[in-house]
Amino acid sequence: DIQMTQSPSSVSASVGDRVTITCRASQGISNWLAWYQQKPGKAPKLLIYAASSLQSGVPSRFSGSGSGTDFTLTISSLQPEDFATYYCQQANSFPPITFGQGTRLEIK
Amino acid sequence: QVQLQESGPGLVKPSETLSLTCTVSGGSISSDYWSWIRQPPGKGLEWIGYIFYSGSTNYNPSLQSRVTISVDTSKKQFSLKLRSVTAADTAIYYCARVLRASGVTLFYFDCWGQGTLVTVSS
Repeated sequence: DIQMTQSPSSVSASVGDRVTITCRASQGISNWLAWYQQKPGKAPKLLIYAASSLQSGVPSRFSGSGSGTDFTLTISSLQPEDFATYYCQQANSFPPITFGQGTRLEIK
Repeated sequence: QVQLQESGPGLVKPSETLSLTCTVSGGSISSDYWSWIRQPPGKGLEWIGYIFYSGSTNYNPSLQSRVTISVDTSKKQFSLKLRSVTAADTAIYYCARVLRASGVTLFYFDCWGQGTLVTVSS
């Protein structure tokens, strides 16, 4: 199985800050990576797929980059509605499709 | 736009079978892949498996011996059965659609149900 490791596990930031979350795959996955946002009591929402493609309707302050084993999700200017938990997911080699453990983004 | 809705019992006894159904509305169930994903309370996401509208499936090896996913295109539904459940199977269960972009299937999940909590307890 491909293990996905996110860092940090949690981060505190303020509205307007630029935030970067990292996801590392245990082996190369090319650009087969997605990012999701999950708010409490809600289903995850797809933000980014294929490492850097913005899903329709997602604000442009979200961006993704990376290839191989190392990936980043960047939020350029945090908005109040962005405080949530973020997950990465690989779709290069399956079964199984695997997710990172999550990064909780909290208000400072 | 497509909407997904999970349904089924919220409480299942240990050793019994968990059965859930996902109903697709606002769009077609054909031409797409459909998946089940679960999340234990307060924990991360675990992919269970997916099914193509034609009936072909792919399961998480960690659950494969206990899982069956099926589809009924006439009802626009797909279903999950998980046998011999234990407390470790207590989770929120989500159904989701696999993304299709420019006609190409990409195994990410672009549309999710609201989720249903299933508790395994006697």
